[in-house]
Parts: sequence; C-alpha cells; structure tokens
Amino acid sequence: EVQLLESGGGLVQPGGSLRLSCAASGFTFSNYAMSWVRQAPGKGLEWVSTISYRGGNTYFADSVKGRFTISRDNSENTVYLQMNSLRAEDTAVYYCAKDLPPFRDLWLCLDYWGQGTLVTVSS
Amino acid sequence: EIVLTQSPGTLSLSPGERATLSCRASQTVTGSYLAWYQQKPGQAPRLLIYGASSRPTGIPDRFSGSGSGTDFTLTISRLEPEDFAVYYCQRYGSSPPYTFGQGTKLEIK
Repeated sequence: EVQLLESGGGLVQPGGSLRLSCAASGFTFSNYAMSWVRQAPGKGLEWVSTISYRGGNTYFADSVKGRFTISRDNSENTVYLQMNSLRAEDTAVYYCAKDLPPFRDLWLCLDYWGQGTLVTVSS
Repeated sequence: EIVLTQSPGTLSLSPGERATLSCRASQTVTGSYLAWYQQKPGQAPRLLIYGASSRPTGIPDRFSGSGSGTDFTLTISRLEPEDFAVYYCQRYGSSPPYTFGQGTKLEIK
C-alpha cells in the first residue's frame, strides 16, 4: 500500500524558515518524481515544486522560486521542502504527492497524496 | 501559462442524478494531458481521471472524462452520497508551470 506521511509543519514568523519532510513507503521511491502542492485555507490547489526521480532536476512555481528548495534522499525514501523567507501568503496545507508514471523527470499527474501538513506564517 | 476555468462554481444535485462538470483551458492542452481530482473536506485530493478519459485502478466506472483541445468534461453518471465533494481539473505534462482549475463544488440539493 502506498503511503506518504508529511511532517514538519507548524507556526512560524514571517521571514522564518521551516523544513517539511515526506516519508514514502509501498512503492519504489527512487523511480518516481515527487511534488509538493499546497492549499491555502478555503482556497484551491497550487503546485509548489517537483523533484525528478533521480533528484538531479528541480522545478518551482514562480511564487516560491528563490525561497524554497526541494531535495530527496532515495536511500531513506524521503522528500524534503526547505522553505525560507516565509510570508503570510505561504500559509497553507502542504501536500506531498507521487507522480503516476515512473522514470519521468516531470509530469505532475499525481496518483497518491499524503494527508498534508499545515504551515502557518504569522507573527 | 494555461488558465483552467471550471464551471459551474457550485452544482446542486440529488443522489441518483447525473452530474456534468466543465473545464475550459485558455490554450490547447497538448496530448489531452488533463486530470480530474476529487477532494472531500479535510482530505487530500484523489486522482479520478487522467489523460482526459482514463480511470486509475479502483475508481468507479460511474466517473468518466471526455474532451480534447480546450474543452473537457467530467461526468458522474449516477451520484452516490459519497460523490458530493469539490472537483478540480489540472493540466500536467513536461512543461511547467502547472495549474489547477478553481474547483467545482458538488453539493446535495
């Protein structure tokens, strides 16, 4: 059974940093691109970032480019989202999600999602 | 950037009825790389349809997708109580940025 478990969310002040983790199980993690998608309270879904299956390529939405980084540890089956210079508008539930097809650097057809972790940016 | 516009914003129907949800793109969605997701309150989204019309394993066949180019449709043939949720369309593929539609809320009439 595929499972994605996010952690690391919480309350942080504007300008602060936070690191989210997503532990994966139930599939061959190193074969799939992984993404983060966020959802502000009461709002729709917004793609944030994707990392290729080998980890060599990363992609970001313009809204987070230069502030967020994404990485993965294929030996630990974990993907990370490092968030710096956080703003109030980054407040959202952050979901980790798995791409449907294997061996694609970037596709964003997301067949499994974690339950999300809430990030609140407020003073 | 391709903008996806979903209509209606809210759809009020009764169990057993047929639901038709629309997703219109501002530019042609190449390869019909269009997905539909279902999201219930407090839950993560669930992939319902990909490639405009393909269902992942485990998705009931009352859910169907159609369309190409700029106009796509999600149809739920006979609504079950558990189908009342928010539905999002999304373009995917090898070229970011990726966008989701703003969502259609399917509510019980």
